[in-house]
Amino acid sequence: DAGVIQSPRHEVTEMGQEVTLRCKPISGHDYLFWYRQTMMRGLELLIYFNNNVPIDDSGMPEDRFSAKMPNASFSTLKIQPSEPRDSAVYFCASSWAGGSYNEQFFGPGTRLTVL
Amino acid sequence: QKEVEQDPGPLSVPEGAIVSLNCTYSNSAFQYFMWYRQYSRKGPELLMYTYSSGNKEDGRFTAQVDKSSKYISLFIRDSQPSDSATYLCAMRRAGFQKLVFGTGTRLLVSP
Repeated sequence: DAGVIQSPRHEVTEMGQEVTLRCKPISGHDYLFWYRQTMMRGLELLIYFNNNVPIDDSGMPEDRFSAKMPNASFSTLKIQPSEPRDSAVYFCASSWAGGSYNEQFFGPGTRLTVL
Repeated sequence: QKEVEQDPGPLSVPEGAIVSLNCTYSNSAFQYFMWYRQYSRKGPELLMYTYSSGNKEDGRFTAQVDKSSKYISLFIRDSQPSDSATYLCAMRRAGFQKLVFGTGTRLLVSP
């Protein structure tokens, strides 16, 4: 298996622009998680899905952030409009509830810079 | 106050040293405890997994959980330069998939 795939790996954009981050989870996994990592705040859970349905979006910082999972193999995290304080590394992770550990497998991340 | 506290380091040790990494937490409902390792510019990877209290050993790595003190530890014996990474503790409640992470401790092992 290729693991969790994220695109793009790097994104540099201007303040006010729309940013879309993409994620393909591991096939067969039924949970998908979006995280944001910064030096100051560490790894924060933004939202997670179970069987394509959003379960907990309490970590989404504000209405500028939205996430969708139209099918089991694809999810997007959108920021509109983007702001410099959104600069961070965004990780997608997936897991399978039927496993012993419910281990979350992380993608390589998208490094976002908002100028 | 954060639910999970972890010293960010960096922690610098010579090759061969025993390393101790720690986290404290406030939520007594946490039942599952994990340590993830994150190399620079990579995603975190699960290193150790423990349920409830006790010890678990895997090669050079030992994870300990003391629920009475709300304190977990990761010990690395005979540390190697390849162990240089950021180590994040994580924990969750039974029946919940949501993980709460510490901020991570950066470890540097010098040859």
